[in-house]
Amino acid sequence: QQQVKQSPQSLIVQKGGIPIINCAYENTAFDYFPWYQQFPGKGPALLIAIRPDVSEKKEGRFTISFNKSAKQFSLHIMDSQPGDSATYFCAASRGRGSTLGRLYFGRGTQLTVWP
Amino acid sequence: NAGVTQTPKFQVLKTGQSMTLQCAQDMNHEYMSWYRQDPGMGLRLIHYSVGAGITDQGEVPNGYNVSRSTTEDFPLRLLSAAPSQTSVYFCASSRWDRANEKLFFGSGTQLSVL
Repeated sequence: QQQVKQSPQSLIVQKGGIPIINCAYENTAFDYFPWYQQFPGKGPALLIAIRPDVSEKKEGRFTISFNKSAKQFSLHIMDSQPGDSATYFCAASRGRGSTLGRLYFGRGTQLTVWP
Repeated sequence: NAGVTQTPKFQVLKTGQSMTLQCAQDMNHEYMSWYRQDPGMGLRLIHYSVGAGITDQGEVPNGYNVSRSTTEDFPLRLLSAAPSQTSVYFCASSRWDRANEKLFFGSGTQLSVL
């Protein structure tokens, strides 16, 4: 059972476009929602993260939008560049108790940004 | 800083063979974990450890063993490899109080079981 559902599986945009990747979850105990970026042959690296007490977080060209009532969150990449071409994973976790440290990942979105 | 180091980068095994994937970190992190990444499946937690001598199972632990004798090292053992274990394996570490907040991943081990 996939704890975090991610879409689309792949995404192609032109340079300057705004790709949007969506994720949904069911477990209301989740209280931390990170996004990881992975380049070919490398391990994932933390990109940006949000907690459910805010509805939006921006870091540079990357923005997370969070809708607690809908149990959905999304990643927007402003002014996308070819160097943003990578696989993006959303994830979720509980920050308390015995499940501390367990991240549940979405299945990933392969983003291609054409020059 | 080396961060999280995984060896080997590539490995081919025959069904039934055993091997150990090595993982070492030099950041004095208490929390370490192993994930496997399969096409279209994202990353799934195999085993994790919250400190030396303490390990626990993740989502997909069957067929894998771990131990944590030191803070730095967290090896993953395949006792009898099966084709279903063909995957890319990632080791990750974090400070315990930030175990959810920022995982540092190694560069992965690509394993093929024939």
